Amino acid sequence: LAKTTQPISMDSYEGQEVNITCSHNNIATNDYITWYQQFPSQGPRFIIQGYKTKVTNEVASLFIPADRKSSTLSLPRVSLSDTAVYYCLVGDMYSFNKFYFGSGTKLNVKP
Amino acid sequence: KAGVTQTPRYLIKTRGQQVTLSCSPISGHRSVSWYQQTPGQGLQFLFEYFSETQRNKGNFPGRFSGRQFSNSRSEMNVSTLELGDSALYLCASSLPTSGTGGELAKNIQYFGAGTRLSVL
Repeated sequence: LAKTTQPISMDSYEGQEVNITCSHNNIATNDYITWYQQFPSQGPRFIIQGYKTKVTNEVASLFIPADRKSSTLSLPRVSLSDTAVYYCLVGDMYSFNKFYFGSGTKLNVKP
Repeated sequence: KAGVTQTPRYLIKTRGQQVTLSCSPISGHRSVSWYQQTPGQGLQFLFEYFSETQRNKGNFPGRFSGRQFSNSRSEMNVSTLELGDSALYLCASSLPTSGTGGELAKNIQYFGAGTRLSVL
């Protein structure tokens, strides 16, 4: 089971780009990397998922180096509403396993 | 399409009682998983059901149990409640996995808003 390591917290200001890096040294061949966002008293919400290189959607980009031992979630031009906890998950893409959420990164966006 | 629905949203129980939480997955999703979230332990996996069968189980005592019905709805039961069981219980559903890759195999989980359980 691949575990992940993320910074506990990060601060940013509105309008800035935020990069949150996740370390997953024991990632397996069949593992995908998935990021979730969670607001207080709500369930986590899917942001983005990737396997290698770069993935971009309407809210974020995900950068994965060739060795896949880390990944970086990039949030362009954050706003106050992006203040949340961000979780990096590594899980098998062919069968459900016990996803390990880790402690997540508390992003605090300031005005 | 409706999201994952969890009921009730809030629950207060006393030690020794039992509780049943309910989860209705997104239509068409056949996998339902349960998580416990506390400030001290974070998000911890409880178990996962697929086609009425428990496929995976986390490291929780036998007081925590669950089941899934033929319509994919799931229930979680906690017996002999302890103070430490106070937590946000989250349910997530996902599309069935396949061995051929593609969207179905990526195990993206869609979470409900959770049930806040307080044990007094």
